[in-house]
Amino acid sequence: SAVISQKPSRDICQRGTSLTIQCQVDSQVTMMFWYRQQPGQSLTLIATANQGSEATYESGFVIDKFPISRPNLTFSTLTVSNLSPEDSSIYLCSVATGTHISYEQYFGPGTRLTVT
Amino acid sequence: QKEVEQNSGPLSVPEGAIASLNCTYSDRGSQSFFWYRQYSGKSPELIMFIYSNGDKEDGRFTAQLNKASQYVSLLIRDSQPSDSATYLCAGRMDSSYKLIFGSGTRLLVRP
Repeated sequence: SAVISQKPSRDICQRGTSLTIQCQVDSQVTMMFWYRQQPGQSLTLIATANQGSEATYESGFVIDKFPISRPNLTFSTLTVSNLSPEDSSIYLCSVATGTHISYEQYFGPGTRLTVT
Repeated sequence: QKEVEQNSGPLSVPEGAIASLNCTYSDRGSQSFFWYRQYSGKSPELIMFIYSNGDKEDGRFTAQLNKASQYVSLLIRDSQPSDSATYLCAGRMDSSYKLIFGSGTRLLVRP
């Protein structure tokens, strides 16, 4: 498994501002992902963070709103820009370990964002 | 659209009973499936994954996969009140590394 930390664990932000969330893993991992979990809902994949190249975004998510960086194999950031109350959610970093066949995916503790 | 379906529950079982959680999926190209447990206010915790037809056991948990019928299940033996949580089923589709999550089943184990 992998030990994943996220900062901040929670934040309250004003409309129109931005929040950057950091994700740190205790070992090098190939795949890192960012998910969103809205209240009472399941997990939705925002993007795959690619080391050394632009992130791969899912339908409905765009780079201008959710810029992602991944400078190395253990660290990534997600920025949620131009915040609105609809962005209030839990944001989760996730990493994949193992081989293509024996593949496991783990989640960080999450960042709870409230936009006022 | 590739989907993973779960009954939202709640599924209520008495302490000591077997809890059976089910999940169906639409994509026959799905390669492997994952069960996560999520306590309220916490992040999902991986319980186990399965990619071969049949059963896979780990302690009190057994995952079952039937690719012909496109369903996955999780059995929890000797259920404890501490097992009360939402259980998320996720499928890994084709050769992608992405997981598609179901909406989760809430399990309530009554003392």
